[in-house]
Amino acid sequence: GIQVEQSPPDLILQEGANSTLRCNFSDSVNNLQWFHQNPWGQLINLFYIPSGTKQNGRLSATTVATERYSLLYISSSQTTDSGVYFCAVSNSGYALNFGKGTSLLVTP
Amino acid sequence: DSGVTQTPKHLITATGQRVTLRCSPRSGDLSVYWYQQSLDQGLQFLIQYYNGEERAKGNILERFSAQQFPDLHSELNLSSLELGDSALYFCASSVGETGGGIQYFGAGTRLSVL
Repeated sequence: GIQVEQSPPDLILQEGANSTLRCNFSDSVNNLQWFHQNPWGQLINLFYIPSGTKQNGRLSATTVATERYSLLYISSSQTTDSGVYFCAVSNSGYALNFGKGTSLLVTP
Repeated sequence: DSGVTQTPKHLITATGQRVTLRCSPRSGDLSVYWYQQSLDQGLQFLIQYYNGEERAKGNILERFSAQQFPDLHSELNLSSLELGDSALYFCASSVGETGGGIQYFGAGTRLSVL
């Protein structure tokens, strides 16, 4: 199946800092989603972005499908941004294949 | 709120027992997916139903089964439970049949097998 690699695996930031999370995938995709898993375990949809660029407040994402990667930008980070960020992809199949995630801790 | 409802939120049971997890998809969504999140395996796909029919299978054990009912809610049945089945089980739903649309995830059911 399609392989998904996320980097970095862990990230510690001070409040107010910016960060970039990366997702590489091994094949063409027709679905790419970014999720935030909060400390209570909930998976929150951030972006549906199989290609192109989207922005939502302090978060933005870019997927370059031809080069098989996606980036999630977090600006002016807040402590509530802490948690695990997952990239998940599908390539004409049915299921989402998840990466192992980037664990983010934002300190005051 | 994603619109996907999962019950119960938490489940504690013993080895060898059987449990049923329930999922109600978002209004209008015909596909339901089940995923398992464990510490050692990460998030992995178990099974998908579309409009009552099984559409795809992932790493689902033979001790596990699922179905989707005419009202489109789905149930995941886990039997002969083992300690290693302790995990967070997510249900997701989407409008279409294939993976090209947004999947919305429920809050999950946390299963603890003691």
